[in-house]
Amino acid sequence: DAGVIQSPRHEVTEMGQEVTLRCKPISGHDYLFWYRQTMMRGLELLIYFNNNVPIDDSGMPEDRFSAKMPNASFSTLKIQPSEPRDSAVYFCASTHGTSSNEQFFGPGTRLTVL
Amino acid sequence: GDSVTQMEGPVTLSEEAFLTINCTYTATGYPSLFWYVQYPGEGLQLLLKATKADDKGSNKGFEATYRKETTSFHLEKGSVQVSDSAVYFCALSRGYGGATNKLIFGTGTLLAVQP
Repeated sequence: DAGVIQSPRHEVTEMGQEVTLRCKPISGHDYLFWYRQTMMRGLELLIYFNNNVPIDDSGMPEDRFSAKMPNASFSTLKIQPSEPRDSAVYFCASTHGTSSNEQFFGPGTRLTVL
Repeated sequence: GDSVTQMEGPVTLSEEAFLTINCTYTATGYPSLFWYVQYPGEGLQLLLKATKADDKGSNKGFEATYRKETTSFHLEKGSVQVSDSAVYFCALSRGYGGATNKLIFGTGTLLAVQP
């Protein structure tokens, strides 16, 4: 099993640019989570999906952030326009709803907004 | 609401020392409890878990016991190695499936083991 796949692994962009982060969950998993990790705020849950439907987006910081899951094997997190304070490591995780809630994390995307 | 509190780091130990990282939680009912580990430059991975009171999770020499009376899930290892250097996260989940699949994480504790 390839595990959760995220791309790109590193992204450097300038303030005001659009950024799209991508995630492929483990096949057969029906839950997908997006997290953000920073030194100041730790690990934050941004949004999660069940069967491709957003369930809880209360952690999305503001309207500049949006997430989609068009099918069971792909999700995107978009930031438009990006700001320097968005610099962080963004993780995607997936799990199966009948498991004991163990989430499997991807390697993360390190985003730097200049 | 649900929350997890874990000890501040960094924790610096010499190789073969005994490790304890404290974790306490606040939640109604009977949550499942987890320890995740994050090695440098990687995502989080599950280290161990316990799903009911008095359960002991164990893996790679690490152990943690679900103590409902003290709402704690402290992580222990009898003899740490340099390769154990990582950030350790305590987490809870309210239950199986449905909207309760969300994990609540603590702030993480950095462990640095010196040779």
